[in-house]
Amino acid sequence: DQQVKQNSPSLSVQEGRISILNCDYTNSMFDYFLWYKKYPAEGPTFLISISSIKDKNEDGRFTVFLNKSAKHLSLHIVPSQPGDSAVYFCAAGDGSSNTGKLIFGQGTTLQVKP
Amino acid sequence: GAGVSQTPSNKVTEKGKYVELRCDPISGHTALYWYRQSLGQGPEFLIYFQGTGAADDSGLPNDRFFAVRPEGSVSTLKIQRTERGDSAVYLCASSLKSYNSPLHFGNGTRLTVT
Repeated sequence: DQQVKQNSPSLSVQEGRISILNCDYTNSMFDYFLWYKKYPAEGPTFLISISSIKDKNEDGRFTVFLNKSAKHLSLHIVPSQPGDSAVYFCAAGDGSSNTGKLIFGQGTTLQVKP
Repeated sequence: GAGVSQTPSNKVTEKGKYVELRCDPISGHTALYWYRQSLGQGPEFLIYFQGTGAADDSGLPNDRFFAVRPEGSVSTLKIQRTERGDSAVYLCASSLKSYNSPLHFGNGTRLTVT
């Protein structure tokens, strides 16, 4: 029962272009969404989050979009840089659970080519 | 350092042995989480502590797994009678509060059961 799904295992883009990473979820109780970036041999690093009361949140080159009706979120990185090459995980939380527990997707490996 | 610290970074053990994995969270973070990440998968929730108590242990796979946080800071994940299927990266995370707050992860302990 995969409640958070990242259907693209990998993505390759050219430096300077836009990277779009996608994530779908099934649990309508999720109300807090995050993206994490992970380099090899390191733990996931928090990137950006969005609450379900918003449909967009922007932080520098990173923008997260939330479409609640479609239960879909996406991360846009523009312009992409070689240092952005990493595994990206989306995660979701249910505020009513009072635990702060996050459910993660399987990850998408992004490669940005110089 | 200011981040979440996990020791050891690597642990190799024989099937049937007992292991302990340690997590030192960010100072002042009351919420602490253990996750497990297998190859090609996202982090999978194991257990959540709020202070000293395990508020949600629904992710522990079976009774061979146990975790403690006796003084509300450092936590230890204990695995008895290890099996080859326990091989994974065990991640610890902490957060300032248990809702709408990003989890900050350590670099993990890579456990290999031979």
